[in-house]
Amino acid sequence: QKEVEQDPGPLSVPEGAIVSLNCTYSNSAFQYFMWYRQYSRKGPELLMYTYSSGNKEDGRFTAQVDKSSKYISLFIRDSQPSDSATYLCAMSGAQKLVFGQGTRLTINP
Amino acid sequence: DGGITQSPKYLFRKEGQNVTLSCEQNLNHDAMYWYRQDPGQGLRLIYYSQIVNDFQKGDIAEGYSVSREKKESFPLTVTSAQKNPTAFYLCASSLTGSLYGYTFGSGTRLTVV
Repeated sequence: QKEVEQDPGPLSVPEGAIVSLNCTYSNSAFQYFMWYRQYSRKGPELLMYTYSSGNKEDGRFTAQVDKSSKYISLFIRDSQPSDSATYLCAMSGAQKLVFGQGTRLTINP
Repeated sequence: DGGITQSPKYLFRKEGQNVTLSCEQNLNHDAMYWYRQDPGQGLRLIYYSQIVNDFQKGDIAEGYSVSREKKESFPLTVTSAQKNPTAFYLCASSLTGSLYGYTFGSGTRLTVV
């Protein structure tokens, strides 16, 4: 069993839709939870990070962590074609990050 | 502007050759990392270094080697012992102890021909 599981998709939705991306994990020692966005042939860039359970909002993006269920989510409201990318969840273990497989998202105009 | 520079962007390797991927950062970060990315598998850690002249193996170190002679530089050598080297390689850096502030380079696409 992988430490972090993420549905690789691909996921295709119309412009303006609400997008939900999810990851589950097995290691209860994880403390920081992150979402990275990666455009094609580029390196990932940090989108949001949260510490412990709860919600964090940044513009159209909301990150949610439920440590009791070992489940994290990223919601994108009013999705735009420019949001089309691969989204990777990541979690901090001892001295390193553990990444999910990434979900490829396409927003159709 | 501060950042991480990876070169070359594309690299072709013949069977039995060693190749070296460059990674340079001017962020004054202590820690540097090498990841390999394959379709549907996310990022897998190859090697990491938290201080000059010291580095540790990650989850898939076999067939790879690194050096950390300068704080700014962390080159990765893909040796002939790596049987399936075709992949997208990403270098990252962070402040030591920062478990969320990773900065990534733009990657090197390595192809075996």
